[in-house]
Amino acid sequence: QPVLTQSSSASASLGSSVKLTCTLSSGHTTYMIAWHQQQPGKAPRYLMRLEGGGIYKKGSGVPDRFSGSSSGADRYLTISNLQSEDEAAYFCETWEDNTQKVFGGGTKLTVL
Amino acid sequence: EVQLVESGGGLVQPGRSLTLSCTGSGFRFDDYAIHWVRQVPGKGLEWVSGISWNSRSIAYVDSVKGRFSISRDNAKNSAYLQMNSLRPEDTAFYYCAKGDASDLWGQGTLVTVSS
Repeated sequence: QPVLTQSSSASASLGSSVKLTCTLSSGHTTYMIAWHQQQPGKAPRYLMRLEGGGIYKKGSGVPDRFSGSSSGADRYLTISNLQSEDEAAYFCETWEDNTQKVFGGGTKLTVL
Repeated sequence: EVQLVESGGGLVQPGRSLTLSCTGSGFRFDDYAIHWVRQVPGKGLEWVSGISWNSRSIAYVDSVKGRFSISRDNAKNSAYLQMNSLRPEDTAFYYCAKGDASDLWGQGTLVTVSS
């Protein structure tokens, strides 16, 4: 079963960019992942699915400021022109066999 | 409107049972797997169980195997999580999510297991 590793926290200044990382475990480095945002007190919100080749597909209404990329076992979420509402927890997720999922521990992003 | 709506949460004593429901609208419910994901307040997301579109494939996290049962009724656009022998450590928000990439989430329902 794959394991997803995320840094527990990150911070960046208002208007700047930040790149969050989700790392797939050995033997699972080609897996597709999804990124989700969870603002305080709210349910998670789907942002995008991201393939190993860096191709990503965003959910409806996700701002252009959010983009994805990949390198080897690493999957990235880049947020440009950070806004205060981007302060949230960001989770990555992967799946197997259509009925099993794994989540990363999440990165709490602080906008300074 | 495309949405998932959970219901059925509440306060329950240890050892008792509870059934959660997840109802979808605005999309072809029977085209997608449905998953249950839980979250202890302030903590991360934990996948609990998933069921394929035709109910032929079902899976559970080890900590709930033998206690929880997932099912669905596509005619009612609904999925269910039957939770038996509940423990205090099952206390969490429970979300349902659509498909392999969880591209749609419900608003969540809180389950509190306490005497």
